[in-house]
Amino acid sequence: DIQMTQSPSLLSASVGDRVTLSCKASQNIYKYLNWYQQKLGEAPKLLIYYTNSLQTGIPSRFSGSGSGTDYTLTISSLQPEDVATYFCQQYNSWWTFGGGTKLELK
Amino acid sequence: EVQLQESGPGLVKPSQSLSLTCSVTGYSITSNYWGWIRKFPGNKMEWMGYISYSGSTSYNPSLKSRISITRDTSKNQFFLQLNSVTTEDTATYYCARSGITIAAMGVMDAWGQGASVTVSS
Repeated sequence: DIQMTQSPSLLSASVGDRVTLSCKASQNIYKYLNWYQQKLGEAPKLLIYYTNSLQTGIPSRFSGSGSGTDYTLTISSLQPEDVATYFCQQYNSWWTFGGGTKLELK
Repeated sequence: EVQLQESGPGLVKPSQSLSLTCSVTGYSITSNYWGWIRKFPGNKMEWMGYISYSGSTSYNPSLKSRISITRDTSKNQFFLQLNSVTTEDTATYYCARSGITIAAMGVMDAWGQGASVTVSS
């Protein structure tokens, strides 16, 4: 199994901040990495697929990068509606998820 | 617009089977891949398995002996059955659509709202 580790598990930031979330795979996943946003009581929403492709309808303040085992989700200017838990998911070998980063407003 | 909706019992007794239905509207399940994912208390998420546009299936090896995913194309529904459940199967269960190409098989772009299932006597 490929293990996915997200850090930090909890992140507090202010509106307008540039925010960076990290996801590390236990082996090379060749950019087969997605990011999802889940707000309280809602279904997960796909934000970024294949490392850096922005899903239709997602604001351009979200971006993804990375390669090999290390991947990043960046929010360029945090908005109040971005408060949520963010999950990474690899699909190079089966499909596994990270433990999530909970993003809150400072 | 595709919509997915999970349904089924919210309470299951230990050792029994958990059965859930995912009803899909706005898109045919004879296209794409259709999966089940669960989220445990504490946030851990686990992919359980999927059924393809042709009806073939793939399961998480950790569940392979207990899980079955089937479908009814006439009703545009697919189903999850998990046998011999324990309290550790308590979770919110989601169904989701995945892409069909190699690069997109694993990209879940539409999800149901989730069904909370508690395993308890």
